[in-house]
Amino acid sequence: NAGVMQNPRHLVRRRGQEARLRCSPMKGHSHVYWYRQLPEEGLKFMVYLQKENIIDESGMPKERFSAEFPKEGPSILRIQQVVRGDSAAYFCASSPNHLDTQYFGPGTRLTVL
Amino acid sequence: AQKVTQAQTEISVVEKEDVTLDCVYETRDTTYYLFWYKQPPSGELVFLIRRNSFDEQNEISGRYSWNFQKSTSSFNFTITASQVVDSAVYFCALSEAGGGNKLTFGTGTQLKVEL
Repeated sequence: NAGVMQNPRHLVRRRGQEARLRCSPMKGHSHVYWYRQLPEEGLKFMVYLQKENIIDESGMPKERFSAEFPKEGPSILRIQQVVRGDSAAYFCASSPNHLDTQYFGPGTRLTVL
Repeated sequence: AQKVTQAQTEISVVEKEDVTLDCVYETRDTTYYLFWYKQPPSGELVFLIRRNSFDEQNEISGRYSWNFQKSTSSFNFTITASQVVDSAVYFCALSEAGGGNKLTFGTGTQLKVEL
């Protein structure tokens, strides 16, 4: 039973480019969460999605960031016009329902040059 | 608002020593869940344990044990006979039943186990 999968594992972008991070939840899980780990900081919640719905985006920056979880395919976290401050590890987690344990993927390390 | 405090930024021990990682939480919800995750040097996040607010029984899993005390809002984690492979950053986290399952993490405790 495969765990949560994220790709790419490492992503390098220049300032102003777009970054697309993908997350495939565990089999049977329909709830996806994105967290960001900035250098020297802890993990911060960004957004919570179910299939085709954003449930809670209270942790998402107001501009340049968006997330989706389509009916088919992985969840996507999209960062437009990246800046150096976006350099971080982005973790995706999934759970089978809204109260169950979240299991994390290996993360995507984004570096903005 | 929910908050998790891990006051110990870094702990160093010698192999085979016991070590306790502290976690103090704040929440207004009566139903909540507490977690510990491990982040080894390779960077992934590994789930260790989940506890709900109605279950104060201590838990033991091999060399790991957890002490949940609602009276002091603490959920401490003890590693017995530590090993070098235990070296990692350990995060305590909290979610509220009324909060949509989002996790609030502490800032983590870096544990270094040396020979």
